[in-house]
Amino acid sequence: EAGVTQFPSHSVIEKGQTVTLRCDPISGHDNLYWYRRVMGKEIKFLLHFVKESKQDESGMPNNRFLAERTGGTYSTLKVQPAELEDSGVYFCASSQGLGVQSSYNEQFFGPGTRLTVL
Amino acid sequence: AQSVSQHNHHVILSEAASLELGCNYSYGGTVNLFWYVQYPGQHLQLLLKYFSGDPLVKGIKGFEAEFIKSKFSFNLRKPSVQWSDTAEYFCAVNARNRDDKIIFGKGTRLHILP
Repeated sequence: EAGVTQFPSHSVIEKGQTVTLRCDPISGHDNLYWYRRVMGKEIKFLLHFVKESKQDESGMPNNRFLAERTGGTYSTLKVQPAELEDSGVYFCASSQGLGVQSSYNEQFFGPGTRLTVL
Repeated sequence: AQSVSQHNHHVILSEAASLELGCNYSYGGTVNLFWYVQYPGQHLQLLLKYFSGDPLVKGIKGFEAEFIKSKFSFNLRKPSVQWSDTAEYFCAVNARNRDDKIIFGKGTRLHILP
């Protein structure tokens, strides 16, 4: 079974430009999460989709960030315009929905996209 | 506030030494606890998890962790480390019974000297 995939693996852009990151979750996983790790800091939550709906976007830093998940499959995260402080590694994770008999739902992580804003 | 604190940012050990990485959390409500590991050049992957039952949990590659509720701690241990354990380790928490975001600690970089 294919894991979570992310594209591109690296992106180098100049301040003010636009970048779009893509995440393909594990097939059948309703939950999709975006996280970010800025250099030297902890991995921080950005937002959570359940299918195509935004369940929680409390971690989105500002309105320069736009996430979509059309059709409830893959997701994109657009940064427009990019700023220097947006540099970091962007992780995507996916999980199945909690089942009736399950109290725990493992999140599977992708390899991340390393974004460098110059 | 929800947070996870890892005691060590960088640990260097020789092969066969014992390892303990400290982790404390602050979180209202019932929690799931995790240790994730990221080996050089690889994905973040789950090392072990606690969500109920025996507070001593065993994970892959000989790692174990103990949940001490009274101390809000979930320390990671391994009796004898190997060079291949060189990686970054993250303690993490999320809410029980919910498809909730994960709160991570800052990570501990572990270097094992051959």
